[in-house]
Amino acid sequence: IVLTQSPGTLSLSPGERVTLSCRASQIIGSNYLGWYQQKPGQAPRLLIYDASTRATGIPDRFSGSGSGTDFTLTISRLEPEDFAVYYCQQYYRSPWTFGRGTKVEIK
Amino acid sequence: EVQLVETGGGLIQPGESLTLSCAASGFAVTSTYMSWVRQAPGKGLEWVSFFYSTSSTYYADSVRGRFTISRDNSKNTVYLQMSSLRVEDTAVYYCARGRWGFDSWGQGTLVTVSS
Repeated sequence: IVLTQSPGTLSLSPGERVTLSCRASQIIGSNYLGWYQQKPGQAPRLLIYDASTRATGIPDRFSGSGSGTDFTLTISRLEPEDFAVYYCQQYYRSPWTFGRGTKVEIK
Repeated sequence: EVQLVETGGGLIQPGESLTLSCAASGFAVTSTYMSWVRQAPGKGLEWVSFFYSTSSTYYADSVRGRFTISRDNSKNTVYLQMSSLRVEDTAVYYCARGRWGFDSWGQGTLVTVSS
């Protein structure tokens, strides 16, 4: 399953609302899709699993939605620590796959 | 506290072999899926392989037939044996825990394949 993330880069200011897209080449059953945040020099961190469930300790400004082939990660209000690269990943069908990522940078 | 620590990376020549280790603490590796995920310099994430049981393993097309994932229950450790290494295998290799999303990651170990 190929995951296409858009846009590739977003230039935004703190306080803005962010919407990131992840589109799958096939239907992802059971909403088996996750979102990760990665900062430079760090391992990725799980934000959302099963398309809409926040992982432990993730602030509620992060939310996930979608089903089928179209999924969205929303950050309601950007904090300075949210500038990073975001990846979606499907674990519905092997081989599990990641999208290429969306970089959220400071404008 | 859940912790994953990868070791074994280094500089290696094309065609050679290398084995990575992922030592887990705070949970039993027998209780869940364990994966290897890699990231080439400046690139995105690529899932490589998972191990759940000896009869439940899977590999990305890019490494199938060259890489082997295994587990030592007594050491609570997962391994990635890599053979016939190529320049394009150069990456930071992470181990990660989970079946429905990777909820814990190691710090990664760098493998550089170069002559």
